[in-house]
Amino acid sequence: DGGITQSPKYLFRKEGQNVTLSCEQNLNHDAMYWYRQDPGQGLRLIYYSQIVNDFQKGDIAEGYSVSREKKESFPLTVTSAQKNPTAFYLCASREGQGSGYGYTFGSGTRLTVV
Amino acid sequence: DAKTTQPPSMDCAEGRAANLPCNHSTISGNEYVYWYRQIHSQGPQYIIHGLKNNETNEMASLIITEDRKSSTLILPHATLRDTAVYYCIVRVASGRETGNQFYFGTGTSLTVIP
Repeated sequence: DGGITQSPKYLFRKEGQNVTLSCEQNLNHDAMYWYRQDPGQGLRLIYYSQIVNDFQKGDIAEGYSVSREKKESFPLTVTSAQKNPTAFYLCASREGQGSGYGYTFGSGTRLTVV
Repeated sequence: DAKTTQPPSMDCAEGRAANLPCNHSTISGNEYVYWYRQIHSQGPQYIIHGLKNNETNEMASLIITEDRKSSTLILPHATLRDTAVYYCIVRVASGRETGNQFYFGTGTSLTVIP
């Protein structure tokens, strides 16, 4: 079955360390997205990529970095510069950019700084 | 921005219909209305979307008013497993290029009561 796989499901990080969250899709979707969700809040866009080797900052990109070397993969690195990294991170993909194309989400990664 | 307004919470008795309202008074003529739901600590799940006409699938029905300024998601026979946060989404249409991302607000927390 096609879908998006995020790993790991739970991740613990010490303060000052960088950590990379994995996102892989086999849907052949061009666009991929990273969102952050804090308790009781909606989703906030971190980064998005519309095509391989290209990505754009979202609303809260500071302290994060991404790469898009392959169509299937869009890893997110949470750097030590991110002041409050503890959150639930969601990856999504989309077949096209028009309004008629919906999102497919992964199951999320819960990152906790200890 | 074409944002949406939803009540923060609703209750519904098991087996009854759940009617979740959404206002989107600034929607553009070619923007679809999407509904997703999120069960705690999981990725959002697509439910249904529509443009002008009412839509129905195996999960729900979507009723869009003639002026398209509001819509209602109907779960015809709510079960305990339908307890989740429901998001009504219209694509963000701003002057800044944002990859045509979806704006996820705080949604409606639906509790199905036995």
